[in-house]
Amino acid sequence: DQQVKQNSPSLSVQEGRISILNCDYTNSMFDYFLWYKKYPAEGPTFLISISSIKDKNEDGRFTVFLNKSAKHLSLHIVPSQPGDSAVYFCAASAPIGAGSYQLTFGKGTKLSVIP
Amino acid sequence: GAGVSQSPSNKVTEKGKDVELRCDPISGHTALYWYRQSLGQGLEFLIYFQGNSAPDKSGLPSDRFSAERTGGSVSTLTIQRTQQEDSAVYLCASSPRPSAKNIQYFGAGTRLSVL
Repeated sequence: DQQVKQNSPSLSVQEGRISILNCDYTNSMFDYFLWYKKYPAEGPTFLISISSIKDKNEDGRFTVFLNKSAKHLSLHIVPSQPGDSAVYFCAASAPIGAGSYQLTFGKGTKLSVIP
Repeated sequence: GAGVSQSPSNKVTEKGKDVELRCDPISGHTALYWYRQSLGQGLEFLIYFQGNSAPDKSGLPSDRFSAERTGGSVSTLTIQRTQQEDSAVYLCASSPRPSAKNIQYFGAGTRLSVL
């Protein structure tokens, strides 16, 4: 039973255009959402996050939108650059007791930005 | 400063053998996580260490899997009597302290191939 779902395994976008990566979740206990970027043969690196009490967070070319009622979030990259080509993981953070937290990851979306 | 370091980067073993995977977290990080990424899948949580507390082993798939963290720093994940379905990339992550935002810093992983 996947609590965090990324329904698009892959996405291709032309350089300069907007990339939109989507993520859906089922657990109402998630209180933070994070996006990670992963290049081949490297570990995932943190990209941007959003608190469950916000609906938008922007950092340069990257913006994350959260629709809590729909349990949906999206990552917008504009303009897309070839160096953005990577696998993007959506992750959600929930408390697991005793002041500890756990991340639940989606399966990832492979973004290809075509020059 | 150094990031999370994992060794070996690649491990090929025969079915039935035991393997040990090592993780050196970022100095001063109190939390350490192990994940597994099988082909085409997301990151599957395995085990979590926080300071001197008892580890959260809820993600370990079978009793062939175990992990320890010595001195609150280096961690070793051990897989006994390896099976072909254990083939995956094993990722280690650390974080400075428990927080809802839960940004984790990942190593490059160990790619395990069980023949």
